[in-house]
Amino acid sequence: KAGVTQTPRYLIKTRGQQVTLSCSPISGHRSVSWYQQTPGQGLQFLFEYFSETQRNKGNFPGRFSGRQFSNSRSEMNVSTLELGDSALYLCASSSRDYGYTFGSGTRLTVV
Amino acid sequence: QQQVKQSPQSLIVQKGGIPIINCAYENTAFDYFPWYQQFPGKGPALLIAIRPDVSEKKEGRFTISFNKSAKQFSLHIMDSQPGDSATYFCAASSGAGSYQLTFGKGTKLSVIP
Repeated sequence: KAGVTQTPRYLIKTRGQQVTLSCSPISGHRSVSWYQQTPGQGLQFLFEYFSETQRNKGNFPGRFSGRQFSNSRSEMNVSTLELGDSALYLCASSSRDYGYTFGSGTRLTVV
Repeated sequence: QQQVKQSPQSLIVQKGGIPIINCAYENTAFDYFPWYQQFPGKGPALLIAIRPDVSEKKEGRFTISFNKSAKQFSLHIMDSQPGDSATYFCAASSGAGSYQLTFGKGTKLSVIP
């Protein structure tokens, strides 16, 4: 069974630009969550979607947003990029028993 | 409080040793405690998880010990191998309609031959 697929794997953007990251969950998983991973802050929760509804949101500014489509695929968007947004963005899909499966992430570099 | 505190930050053991990584939490609503293993360039992978109704769980060479009264849990890796060299994260979740995980800061484990 295919795992969680994140695209693109790497991205370089300029300050002030916006970016959209994509995540395809494991087939049948209805919950998709996003995390930001940095060396200083570790893994931080961004938001969670379940059946196209945002169920929970972490402590990030409004520049970070996301959505989930009817096929459970999810996108997250970051507008007005800042240098501090450089990070590995991880998507995870989960089934009812709490098991999280992470993708390999999108490495975003803001210059 | 949502914090999960993990220690040590890094750990070096010889092959065959038993590295132990510890985590402590504050939120008594947490009811699910997984451990993740992450290799460079990869996302975290679920190793083993425990719920508060048991004090220990073993899966292969990995064991979680859980102390509910102390609000602590730990990961033991038996007969460690160089291939176990990775970063390990503990996490916790309270369910309550969300699968949100609160992660520890991670432990970089190096197993030397």
